[in-house]
Amino acid sequence: NAGVTQTPKFQVLKTGQSMTLQCAQDMNHEYMSWYRQDPGMGLRLIHYSVGAGITDQGEVPNGYNVSRSTTEDFPLRLLSAAPSQTSVYFCASSYSTRRVAYNEQFFGPGTRLTVL
Amino acid sequence: DAKTTQPNSMESNEEEPVHLPCNHSTISGTDYIHWYRQLPSQGPEYVIHGLTSNVNNRMASLAIAEDRKSSTLILHRATLRDAAVYYCILRDEETSYDKVIFGPGTSLSVIP
Repeated sequence: NAGVTQTPKFQVLKTGQSMTLQCAQDMNHEYMSWYRQDPGMGLRLIHYSVGAGITDQGEVPNGYNVSRSTTEDFPLRLLSAAPSQTSVYFCASSYSTRRVAYNEQFFGPGTRLTVL
Repeated sequence: DAKTTQPNSMESNEEEPVHLPCNHSTISGTDYIHWYRQLPSQGPEYVIHGLTSNVNNRMASLAIAEDRKSSTLILHRATLRDAAVYYCILRDEETSYDKVIFGPGTSLSVIP
């Protein structure tokens, strides 16, 4: 298994540009989520999905859109990038949304995004 | 969700045991205690979790206080590869969706 994969690894955008961060998992996990991590801080939840066709907002959703058309993929879209969105973005997945206390989350390697 | 409190940073000598504390005084009866760690320039990885009893695995041990208001992650022999940020988080058994929140964690430095 490749686990959780993210592309690209690095990206530089200009203010106002749009882009999509890709996330895929090959473990047939129901739950997927996106976090951002700013320097010296913990991870903050952006959006999450409990299955194909179902998404919901996390702690810091503004400026980001998501969709979940398949179990495997969970892309994160920045519609109009802003310097405040400069961060490292992590995608994560876990096996089941039920009895979540028992399940570990698997994280991708991250995408380092800079918005100028 | 109940919150956790951890020291910002800790130091350990290589090959010595490390005890990383976590306070969770508002923990509920259905909260599981999970630990993750994040190596430099990598995503977080799962370390261990438990409910009431102490737990051991190949990476670490988890000691949970009898009143469950605190816990300690134990690395038995610290190596340079254990230098990372360690996160203590609570996950509610009764929550049907996952909204795990990671705080700042404890930054562990290992001295050769």
